[in-house]
Amino acid sequence: GNSVTQMEGPVTLSEEAFLTINCTYTATGYPSLFWYVQYPGEGLQLLLKATKADDKGSNKGFEATYRKETTSFHLEKGSVQVSDSAVYFCALPSGAGSYQLTFGKGTKLSVIP
Amino acid sequence: DTGVSQDPRHKITKRGQNVTFRCDPISEHNRLYWYRQTLGQGPEFLTYFQNEAQLEKSRLLSDRFSAERPKGSFSTLEIQRTEQGDSAMYLCASSLLGGLNEQFFGPGTRLTVL
Repeated sequence: GNSVTQMEGPVTLSEEAFLTINCTYTATGYPSLFWYVQYPGEGLQLLLKATKADDKGSNKGFEATYRKETTSFHLEKGSVQVSDSAVYFCALPSGAGSYQLTFGKGTKLSVIP
Repeated sequence: DTGVSQDPRHKITKRGQNVTFRCDPISEHNRLYWYRQTLGQGPEFLTYFQNEAQLEKSRLLSDRFSAERPKGSFSTLEIQRTEQGDSAMYLCASSLLGGLNEQFFGPGTRLTVL
């Protein structure tokens, strides 16, 4: 079935540093791809999505491009802030009807001033 | 606030007790999902409803677990005879029928089994 492999953390960066969190996927066909973010003590929030190859999802300064050739959907941000400290999850639909989401293990990001 | 809500936010129980969690999805969403998240892991799918029909269940959902969505609105997840291994965050999500399966999550219920 569909699966994702996500760069394991934790990742610690200084404020204004460049961020990359790697995500590669294995899938039948070309499913939508998602990045979710989980702030401490909270549920998951959808950060961005892409629906087809070469699509770029973007939100709050974060970007990810759906790369069919490399089966990747890496998350990037040019200049991180302390408020970006959270756990980031890559996800894609899976299962018989593609109803469920399969998530990566998550990457914990800590940004220090 | 029209987001997904869950109740309670925290539950501490003793092994062997039964617990029930409630989820209220976004009002116009037909689809409702339950996931379980353990420390340091991503959420794992448990079950899925389309309106009141439970259409898919994970192997993770043992016979001690039961979920309902009686009128196609709120849902409950019950765990009978809780075990320490059931300690986790239980997340509920909802989405619209069709579309990209963009799921919106609630804050979760953290269960601790002593």
